[in-house]
Amino acid sequence: DQQVKQNSPSLSVQEGRISILNCDYTNSMFDYFLWYKKYPAEGPTFLISISSIKDKNEDGRFTVFLNKSAKHLSLHIVPSQPGDSAVYFCAASPTGQGAQKLVFGQGTRLTINP
Amino acid sequence: DAGVTQSPTHLIKTRGQHVTLRCSPISGHKSVSWYQQVLGQGPQFIFQYYEKEERGRGNFPDRFSARQFPNYSSELNVNALLLGDSALYLCASSSRPSGNVDTQYFGPGTRLTVL
Repeated sequence: DQQVKQNSPSLSVQEGRISILNCDYTNSMFDYFLWYKKYPAEGPTFLISISSIKDKNEDGRFTVFLNKSAKHLSLHIVPSQPGDSAVYFCAASPTGQGAQKLVFGQGTRLTINP
Repeated sequence: DAGVTQSPTHLIKTRGQHVTLRCSPISGHKSVSWYQQVLGQGPQFIFQYYEKEERGRGNFPDRFSARQFPNYSSELNVNALLLGDSALYLCASSSRPSGNVDTQYFGPGTRLTVL
């Protein structure tokens, strides 16, 4: 029962262009969404988040968009840089359950080509 | 400041054995969560402990157990290992018991291989 899905296992983008990573969820109880970035041999690093009361959150080159009716969120990276090459995980939190539980998607491996 | 540390880095066990994984949270953090990441999948929540109390438990069998010590470090124990337990085990620490999930910081993980 995959409640958070990232349907693209990999994505290749040219340096300087926009990278768009997508994520879908099924559980209506999720009200907080996050993106994590993971390099090999390191733990996931928090990138950006969005609450369900918003539809957009921006932080520098990173913007997350949330479409609640479609249960879909996306991460835009512009311009893409070689250091952005990593695995990106979408995660959702069912807040209000008294624990800091994150439900992760399968991840998308982003490769930025020079 | 030291981040979340985990030991050992790598571990090889055989089926039926028992394993203990260790995690030290960031100084001042009282919450520790454990996640299992199987190859090709995202991390899956196993446990959260706050102030030595279990705050949450994921859908894992009773072979998985954990505890938190007075210094807030934590151990994850897995009994009767199965081949399917081979995974990267991640520990995350936070200063809060609930909410503000973006305040979780992850360690580098322990890679467990079960033969």
